[in-house]
Amino acid sequence: QKEVEQNSGPLSVPEGAIASLNCTYSDRVSQSFFWYRQYSGKSPELIMSIYSNGDKEDGRFTAQLNKASQYVSLLIRDSQPSDSATYLCAVNTRNTGNQFYFGTGTSLTVIP
Amino acid sequence: ETGVTQSPTHLIKTRGQQVTLRCSSQSGHNTVSWYQQALGQGPQFIFQYYREEENGRGNFPPRFSGLQFPNYSSELNVNALELDDSALYLCASSRSLDRLNTEAFFGQGTRLTVV
Repeated sequence: QKEVEQNSGPLSVPEGAIASLNCTYSDRVSQSFFWYRQYSGKSPELIMSIYSNGDKEDGRFTAQLNKASQYVSLLIRDSQPSDSATYLCAVNTRNTGNQFYFGTGTSLTVIP
Repeated sequence: ETGVTQSPTHLIKTRGQQVTLRCSSQSGHNTVSWYQQALGQGPQFIFQYYREEENGRGNFPPRFSGLQFPNYSSELNVNALELDDSALYLCASSRSLDRLNTEAFFGQGTRLTVV
């Protein structure tokens, strides 16, 4: 079982719609959760971090964390073509030497 | 721009050779982590340095080694290169408090091709 799992997609949404990206993780003691955006050929760019249960909003982005269900999601409202990228979910637990476990990423395409 | 810089950006090496990749961390950051990202995969943790000491290692063989310097910059060394070492190598800088990770910011990466 992989530590972090994401739907690889591709996920396509029309411009202006809400894109929903999901991630599950296996280690119950995971403490920190991050979403990164990666454009083709570029390095990952941090979008959101979330550490406690509930929602965290930053502009058009909302991260949701449910530790009981071991589930974290990212919602992108009013999706723009510039949001087209691969979105990586990363999970950190102190018990594993402070490494980040990444999912394989979900490819998102926003159609104009 | 994250303030994390890596060099070189691209590199081609022959199987069996050795390579050194470099990373300068963001100002105020004391922790550097290295990741390997193969095409179509998520980054895989190689190791992390905190205040010049190794602070965790992923499932990579000993021919992957590293250093962190007093200014918190870091090097990744790979000996006896294999074809499967071809990947994007990412350095991530963070400010850790008592060894607990906070947000990590990536450099632009080094694309290594082994032929």
